[in-house]
Amino acid sequence: AQKVTQAQTEISVVEKEDVTLDCVYETRDTTYYLFWYKQPPSGELVFLIRRNSFDEQNEISGRYSWNFQKSTSSFNFTITASQVVDSAVYFCALSEASYGQNFVFGPGTRLSVLP
Amino acid sequence: GAGVSQSPSNKVTEKGKDVELRCDPISGHTALYWYRQSLGQGLEFLIYFQGNSAPDKSGLPSDRFSAERTGGSVSTLTIQRTQQEDSAVYLCASSPGVLITDTQYFGPGTRLTVL
Repeated sequence: AQKVTQAQTEISVVEKEDVTLDCVYETRDTTYYLFWYKQPPSGELVFLIRRNSFDEQNEISGRYSWNFQKSTSSFNFTITASQVVDSAVYFCALSEASYGQNFVFGPGTRLSVLP
Repeated sequence: GAGVSQSPSNKVTEKGKDVELRCDPISGHTALYWYRQSLGQGLEFLIYFQGNSAPDKSGLPSDRFSAERTGGSVSTLTIQRTQQEDSAVYLCASSPGVLITDTQYFGPGTRLTVL
């Protein structure tokens, strides 16, 4: 069965601090996809990244970076030099399907960046 | 261009009444998804459409829930004989196709409150 765990329910940091959001997943498939979504106060989920199980390269996009480690079934997300606009709920998700995108979402981590 | 829109933004209803929630996807997007976000269950996949057909209805929580899509565009999620546990934010998303590599774009959601 698929499962996504985000152990951090809420995190508060001060602006310019770095912060890492943890994501641990469970799946029996060898082919799967991992995602991160951001949900700002407006409520609309915003896609951040997609990773397939065969690509363990870490990725950096501006202040965002992702560390995918199959050995520990983790797909952690780091925000460098956090900003107030980063305040949101962040969801990690898993899909075992190559189509239809039947996601299993983690419970989310609420990040508050204080000025 | 315009994003995914949902109406109404808020709906308050009495237990036992039927409700219809509407989603207008991004023009040209062939895939459409419904999710539910509640405090108790987090983010749950409900159903997706490829064109007007729904290959995967596995996420619908009961036979009180149904959805249709007409003309490959607008979709309606109907909940019959609403119960208090149906209270949640219902999110709609659309994507250009159903492949896992097709990014989903989410609407702002409809907040349903069942009294």
